[in-house]
Amino acid sequence: RKEVEQDPGPFNVPEGATVAFNCTYSNSASQSFFWYRQDCRKEPKLLMSVYSSGNEDGRFTAQLNRASQYISLLIRDSKLSDSATYLCVVTPSGSARQLTFGSGTQLTVLP
Amino acid sequence: NAGVTQTPKFRVLKTGQSMTLLCAQDMNHEYMYWYRQDPGMGLRLIHYSVGEGTTAKGEVPDGYNVSRLKKQNFLLGLESAAPSQTSVYFCASSSFTGELFFGEGSRLTVL
Repeated sequence: RKEVEQDPGPFNVPEGATVAFNCTYSNSASQSFFWYRQDCRKEPKLLMSVYSSGNEDGRFTAQLNRASQYISLLIRDSKLSDSATYLCVVTPSGSARQLTFGSGTQLTVLP
Repeated sequence: NAGVTQTPKFRVLKTGQSMTLLCAQDMNHEYMYWYRQDPGMGLRLIHYSVGEGTTAKGEVPDGYNVSRLKKQNFLLGLESAAPSQTSVYFCASSSFTGELFFGEGSRLTVL
């Protein structure tokens, strides 16, 4: 079993739709969680950190479920510019040295 | 705002040739990393460094060597390139907070 697993998609949704991605992790000792966004043929960039209490940034909401060992990303009112691959990242001890990336979920927002 | 700069951005090698990828960061970050990204595989850590003069192996270190002689630079070397090393290579740096800042990537093809 991979340490971090994501549904690769692709998710094709119309503009304005709400879409959610899940990411499961196998190491119960994982402490820090992040969502990164990667545009086609570009470098990944941090979208948001995921806190135990959940966090929201505009149209984006991230949640952590420790009992079931998954994190989620919810995008409301999708925009064309949201089209990208979303990578979840998990680190077991909070140390930046042990970041593990999921293989990514591809999202295409259609006009 | 240079951030993380990788050179070269593109390179084609023949099997058995050697080359060095250079990563430079101007954010005074302690941690630096080299990842490779292959279709469907996500980002996999090759080597990393937690400070000047230190290096450590990541998930897929075989066939690569690294050096961190200066805090701002992290070099990735391929001594004898193989077709399996055809990939996109990303360098990243981070402070203790853990957010990764990536370079634009280096696309390597080994024939």
